[in-house]
Amino acid sequence: AQSVAQPEDQVNVAEGNPLTVKCTYSVSGNPYLFWYVQYPNRGLQFLLKYITGDNLVKGSYGFEAEFNKSQTSFHLKKPSALVSDSALYFCAVRAFRGGSTLGRLYFGRGTQLTVWP
Amino acid sequence: EPEVTQTPSHQVTQMGQEVILRCVPISNHLYFYWYRQILGQKVEFLVSFYNNEISEKSEIFDDQFSVERPDGSNFTLKIRSTKLEDSAMYFCASTGGGFETQYFGPGTRLLVL
Repeated sequence: AQSVAQPEDQVNVAEGNPLTVKCTYSVSGNPYLFWYVQYPNRGLQFLLKYITGDNLVKGSYGFEAEFNKSQTSFHLKKPSALVSDSALYFCAVRAFRGGSTLGRLYFGRGTQLTVWP
Repeated sequence: EPEVTQTPSHQVTQMGQEVILRCVPISNHLYFYWYRQILGQKVEFLVSFYNNEISEKSEIFDDQFSVERPDGSNFTLKIRSTKLEDSAMYFCASTGGGFETQYFGPGTRLLVL
């Protein structure tokens, strides 16, 4: 069974400090991993993804994430947080096995990031 | 930049009524999805649609739900007889291929009274 865990409901950081939003996953087969961000009253906006290759992937707005296969993690990071980064962040996984993708995304519960000035 | 659009943004309905949620996926995309997010809970997959048929559905997607692509642009989710527990934010998503990123619409907030 596929699942995603985001162990922190909330992360609070000061502007200018580095931030990390944690995600661990469980899949049968190789994972495709995604981060989405949701601003109030908005839809889910794609930030970045890991499919294959370099374990460190870079995405929109200065965010990056590191795929760690041994720890089954895909933590979202940013070296210097901005107040405008405050939003709800979702980690998601898709499974790939047997030459086909199973298209559905499995989401974590979301982590509310608050960056204070 | 192309985006997925959804209408209405909000809908209030009485229990037992039928609702149709509408989505316009990105124009050259081929795979379409519906997800829902009950307040305070995680985003959950409902159904995927490709080549004019359902390719996968979750256990949530029972006989009360149906999807349709009535023309070349719209993708709809119908709930035949709404229940209180159908109250949620419903997201439509589309992608150009099975390996690619799913892009989400802004959602329709459905409230069943």
